[in-house]
Amino acid sequence: SQQGEEDPQALSIQEGENATMNCSYKTSINNLQWYRQNSGRGLVHLILIRSNEREKHSGRLRVTLDTSKKSSSLLITASRAADTASYFCATARQGGSEKLVFGKGMKLTVNP
Amino acid sequence: KAGVTQTPRYLIKTRGQQVTLSCSPISGHRSVSWYQQTPGQGLQFLFEYFSETQRNKGNFPGRFSGRQFSNSRSEMNVSTLELGDSALYLCASSLFVAKNIQYFGAGTRLSVL
Repeated sequence: SQQGEEDPQALSIQEGENATMNCSYKTSINNLQWYRQNSGRGLVHLILIRSNEREKHSGRLRVTLDTSKKSSSLLITASRAADTASYFCATARQGGSEKLVFGKGMKLTVNP
Repeated sequence: KAGVTQTPRYLIKTRGQQVTLSCSPISGHRSVSWYQQTPGQGLQFLFEYFSETQRNKGNFPGRFSGRQFSNSRSEMNVSTLELGDSALYLCASSLFVAKNIQYFGAGTRLSVL
C-alpha cells in the first residue's frame, strides 16, 4: 500500500501565487523526499528532509516535516507556469526495507 | 555525468508476448530500482538491485523479473504480457541504497494491445 498520501490531489493557481501541498504518512520514517514529474517523463528530485529536521529550504521551495503528526508540506513560492507538474512525496521507512515508497501524486497547474 | 538512460522509449506489444527493458544508471551508482506507473495505481515499486543482487521486491507476479549486470546496468523482463501491463516503466539509480536520492530515467512507455 502507498505510504504517502498527497493532499490536495489537484491544485490550480495563478502565476505568482504560492502553492502548498501536503503529504501524510503512516509509519516512522528515516527521510521524506519530494519529487516533480512533468507530463509522461521521469521524476526529478526536489528536496530531502531527514526525520530529525523540521524545515528545509531550496530556492523557492520550503519543506516542513512534523513527525508527531506524520505529515509534511511543500510550499512553492511565487509560482511560475513552468512549475506545472505532478508532485510526489516519498518516504523511506525507519528500520524497514530501504526502498522508497511514493504517494499517488498531486497535479499542480499554474496558469499564466 | 550522463543521466539515467532507459531504452527503448516506446514499445508496442501484443498480449502473450514478452518484453525486455533496459536501464543504464548514472556512472558510479550501484543501486537500480524499477517502478511501474499507471493512472489508476500510481507509482508502484517493482524491485531494486544492488551489486547484481535483488535486494527488495514489490508485490508483482512472477512474470515480472529483472537482473543487474556487473557494470550496474539493469534489465527488466515481463513475460506473457497482459493488457494491464500497459504503463510507464521507470528506472531510478542511487549511490548506495534506494532510500537515498533517486535519479530517474525518462521511462519506457509500454502499450500492450
